[in-house]
Amino acid sequence: AQSVTQPDIHITVSEGASLELRCNYSYGATPYLFWYVQSPGQGLQLLLKYFSGDTLVQGIKGFEAEFKRSQSSFNLRKPSVHWSDAAEYFCAVGLMEYGNKLVFGAGTILRVKS
Amino acid sequence: DTAVSQTPKYLVTQMGNDKSIKCEQNLGHDTMYWYKQDSKKFLKIMFSYNNKELIINETVPNRFSPKSPDKAHLNLHINSLELGDSAVYFCASSQDDGGGTGELFFGEGSRLTVL
Repeated sequence: AQSVTQPDIHITVSEGASLELRCNYSYGATPYLFWYVQSPGQGLQLLLKYFSGDTLVQGIKGFEAEFKRSQSSFNLRKPSVHWSDAAEYFCAVGLMEYGNKLVFGAGTILRVKS
Repeated sequence: DTAVSQTPKYLVTQMGNDKSIKCEQNLGHDTMYWYKQDSKKFLKIMFSYNNKELIINETVPNRFSPKSPDKAHLNLHINSLELGDSAVYFCASSQDDGGGTGELFFGEGSRLTVL
């Protein structure tokens, strides 16, 4: 069955430090991959997505992610974290043969300390 | 001017009651969704409609019935509410033909608490 794993439930980083959030997926074909961010009490906002082509994708708010087929991974990175980045981050796989069905990981809560 | 709006934002009710959550999108999208986020923040799709036609129906109890009067609206009606229905329900929409490359735009969620 298709699945998305985010191994880190919580991550704490200092403001200005670099960030990497891990995401692994299990899916037979090349998936469509997404990262969403959820601030407290808010809906989810798309940070970036990968469909095909360049495996390093740039998103909003200075985030980027790299698709590595050999590792079935799509890790999210940011070189310098800001306090406003504190939120929960969800990785998702798009299963296109089921309509536009997204399967989400369990999320990673990012805390930023000053 | 909210793109995907849900009402109510908060809903507290007793077990056994029937309740509805409404969703409207003003983005002109063809596809709308309901997702459920449980207490562990795990998000799972429930339903998807494309131009008022049901295209995704996950394993959801019959007590949950979506209704799409037009492509801008997708309401969720829940009968005989149970404690386990307590969750945050997110509506979303996307512009695609259901074939799945479109970004999902989410509403702010409706937090349902069943007592």
